[in-house]
Amino acid sequence: EVQLVESGGVLVQPGGSLRLSCAASGFTFSSYVMSWVRQAPGKGLEWVSTISGSSSSTYYADSVKGRFTISRDNSKNTLYLQMNSLRAEDTAVYFCAKGGYSGSLYGYFDHWGQGTLVTVSS
Amino acid sequence: AIQMTQSPSSLSASVGDRVTITCRASQGIGNDLGWYQQKPGEAPKLLIYAASSLQSGVPSRFSGSGSGTDFTLTISSLQPEDFATYYCLQDYNYPYTFGQGTKLEIK
Repeated sequence: EVQLVESGGVLVQPGGSLRLSCAASGFTFSSYVMSWVRQAPGKGLEWVSTISGSSSSTYYADSVKGRFTISRDNSKNTLYLQMNSLRAEDTAVYFCAKGGYSGSLYGYFDHWGQGTLVTVSS
Repeated sequence: AIQMTQSPSSLSASVGDRVTITCRASQGIGNDLGWYQQKPGEAPKLLIYAASSLQSGVPSRFSGSGSGTDFTLTISSLQPEDFATYYCLQDYNYPYTFGQGTKLEIK
């Protein structure tokens, strides 16, 4: 059974930094792209970032480019999101999501974690 | 970036009704579109991928159609557990973009 468990969400001050983690199990982690998607309180879903299985390719939303860094450790089956220069508008539940196609850079999200809440406030 | 325009933003319907939600892409995306269901306090759940392929375990009352720029999610006979918010997502190219969501409420 595929499981994705996020952690690391906390209350942080504007300008601060935070690293989110997503522990994966139940599938061959290195074979799939992994992504972060966020949802601000009461709002819709927003794609944040995606990383290829080998970490050779990364993609970012314009809203986070230059501030967030996605990475993965395939030996630990863990996905990360390093978040710097945080702003109030980054306040959201952050979900990690698994890509649906083995070996592909693209495709739908077939499994999601339960999410972790990041609050940026002074 | 490709813009996804989803309609309606909200919809009231009754158990047993047939409902349709649409998404329009600002440029052609082939069939690279998925539909997701989200209930309050829960993670999104994949219903349909590649525009018309039913995800394993999803009831057959859900169906998807379309290609290019216009896509449709249909629920053939609404069940109580279907009242939720639905999103489309284009996975044709980066940045991926979601529709604004459709909140399906009980009439």
